[in-house]
Amino acid sequence: AQSVTQLGSHVSVSEGALVLLRCNYSSSVPPYLFWYVQYPNQGLQLLLKYTTGATLVKGINGFEAEFKKSETSFHLTKPSAHMSDAAEYFCAVSEGQAGTALIFGKGTTLSVSS
Amino acid sequence: GAGVSQSPSNKVTEKGKDVELRCDPISGHTALYWYRQSLGQGLEFLIYFQGNSAPDKSGLPSDRFSAERTGGSVSTLTIQRTQQEDSAVYLCASSSRTTGESQFFGPGTRLTVL
Repeated sequence: AQSVTQLGSHVSVSEGALVLLRCNYSSSVPPYLFWYVQYPNQGLQLLLKYTTGATLVKGINGFEAEFKKSETSFHLTKPSAHMSDAAEYFCAVSEGQAGTALIFGKGTTLSVSS
Repeated sequence: GAGVSQSPSNKVTEKGKDVELRCDPISGHTALYWYRQSLGQGLEFLIYFQGNSAPDKSGLPSDRFSAERTGGSVSTLTIQRTQQEDSAVYLCASSSRTTGESQFFGPGTRLTVL
């Protein structure tokens, strides 16, 4: 069965600092991996995804993530945090084909201080 | 419309009442998903529709939950005899072959069962 583990339910950084949100997955088939962001009282917005090909994927708002099969990881990074990045971030996995349910991690709340 | 829309945005009901939640997917999207987001359980898959195929109901928590999708577009999630543990945010997402593996989410319906 697939599962997603997000290490750290809450991450705090200073504005301008590196953002690193950790995600590890388990999957018996090549996974498709996603990061979503959720701002207060809003739905989920897709940040980026990995399906096949290049393992370093770039998304919106300066975020990127690297798929590391050997480590079963898909950590999300941003070189310089902005106040507007404060939100909840969810990592998700699906079974590598369109039309399958997403399995989500528990989420990581990112706080950014000035 | 430009995005997935859901109605109502908030619903307060009494224990034992039935509720209906509506989702309008992005025009042309053939796949539609329902998820539930609650403090205790995080984000959980409920049900998935793809075109005219039989829906994948594997995530429905009990037989009090049902969903239908009329004309391959709008979907209604029905919860009968609501319980307090049904209180959650219900999220709808849609995708299509052109979006491949990417699901686009609506803003959700916040259900409160008193």
